[in-house]
Amino acid sequence: KAGVTQTPRYLIKTRGQQVTLSCSPISGHRSVSWYQQTPGQGLQFLFEYFSETQRNKGNFPGRFSGRQFSNSRSEMNVSTLELGDSALYLCASSLDGWNSPLHFGNGTRLTVT
Amino acid sequence: AQTVTQSQPEMSVQEAETVTLSCTYDTSESNYYLFWYKQPPSRQMILVIRQEAYKQQNATENRFSVNFQKAAKSFSLKISDSQLGDTAMYFCVFILNNAGNMLTFGGGTRLMVKP
Repeated sequence: KAGVTQTPRYLIKTRGQQVTLSCSPISGHRSVSWYQQTPGQGLQFLFEYFSETQRNKGNFPGRFSGRQFSNSRSEMNVSTLELGDSALYLCASSLDGWNSPLHFGNGTRLTVT
Repeated sequence: AQTVTQSQPEMSVQEAETVTLSCTYDTSESNYYLFWYKQPPSRQMILVIRQEAYKQQNATENRFSVNFQKAAKSFSLKISDSQLGDTAMYFCVFILNNAGNMLTFGGGTRLMVKP
């Protein structure tokens, strides 16, 4: 079974631009969650989608948004990029999100210049 | 809101020896789960061990075991017979029951296993 796939692995953007990151969950998994990892703030929960609906949201500004498609693939979008958005963005999937095991992808490293 | 604290930013251990990583957390809830995840240089987070708060028995998983003290809100990880492949960042993670995958992470402990 293929694992969680995140694309692209690396991304360089300029301040003010927007970016879209993609996450393909393990087949059959319906919950996809996103996390931001930075040296200063550590790992923080961004949001979680289940069956195309946002189920939980972390404490991030509205510039961060996401969506989930009918095949459970998810995208997250960051608009008007700031230098502080430079981070490793991790995606994880689970069967149903109710404490079923989480499987993480290898992340997308975003650098904002 | 929940908080998770890992007081040891870095630790090292000799191969084959035992090491304990500390974690404390703060919550007013009684129904939750605790996890230890490792993140090797490959960046992929891997589940090490999981503990349900309602269970008094400490979880074990091969060379990995936890010491869960609910009253003290403490959740330490013991790694026995350390191996070079254990070198990684270790994160203590908290999640409320039925809160989906809204995880709260500790700051991490970087563990180096030396030959």
